[in-house]
Amino acid sequence: EPEVTQTPSHQVTQMGQEVILRCVPISNHLYFYWYRQILGQKVEFLVSFYNNEISEKSEIFDDQFSVERPDGSNFTLKIRSTKLEDSAMYFCASSRLAGGQETQYFGPGTRLLVL
Amino acid sequence: AQSVTQLGSHVSVSEGALVLLRCNYSSSVPPYLFWYVQYPNQGLQLLLKYTTGATLVKGINGFEAEFKKSETSFHLTKPSAHMSDAAEYFCAVSQYNQGGKLIFGQGTELSVKP
Repeated sequence: EPEVTQTPSHQVTQMGQEVILRCVPISNHLYFYWYRQILGQKVEFLVSFYNNEISEKSEIFDDQFSVERPDGSNFTLKIRSTKLEDSAMYFCASSRLAGGQETQYFGPGTRLLVL
Repeated sequence: AQSVTQLGSHVSVSEGALVLLRCNYSSSVPPYLFWYVQYPNQGLQLLLKYTTGATLVKGINGFEAEFKKSETSFHLTKPSAHMSDAAEYFCAVSQYNQGGKLIFGQGTELSVKP
């Protein structure tokens, strides 16, 4: 069964450093998402992406964040200058079509720790 | 604005007992409702979803949920718990006019005692 994959599974970085989190969505999916979950808190929407453009972003997704689909398979989330409060589990998801009724398929997550 | 509340961050049941995980939502338009499950070191997996039509929705692993508009609820049930059901469960809501953005509840950790 096709699945969303994410790398790395764990990342430790120093405050102020740039990190890139990578995701490979399901191959025939067209819509891509990033969510994050700070320890003990809710899973929060960050951004959705379609046709090489951001479709929607939350207030969390400020100028320090960017997303890219550099090739036909990868979908990346970049944090330019990490802060302590960026420590969280980051989930990538994809769906075949758009719309609130569509099922999103989630990857296993990348646990980011900023020291 | 949409929101989701899951009552109980931890629920413990005995094997064979009824599982009931509560979810209430707030939405200004008819919602789409989802239950996801997360096993340790894995991603979120869809258990079931309600979009339109029949309000009682059956999902994988014997779980089901009922959409009750009057109560703004979407509680998840399973008649008989199995040890393998131990996981974290997330209720989520989205709207037809807001693309695919999911709004999640805080999650409920289910433990199953032998």
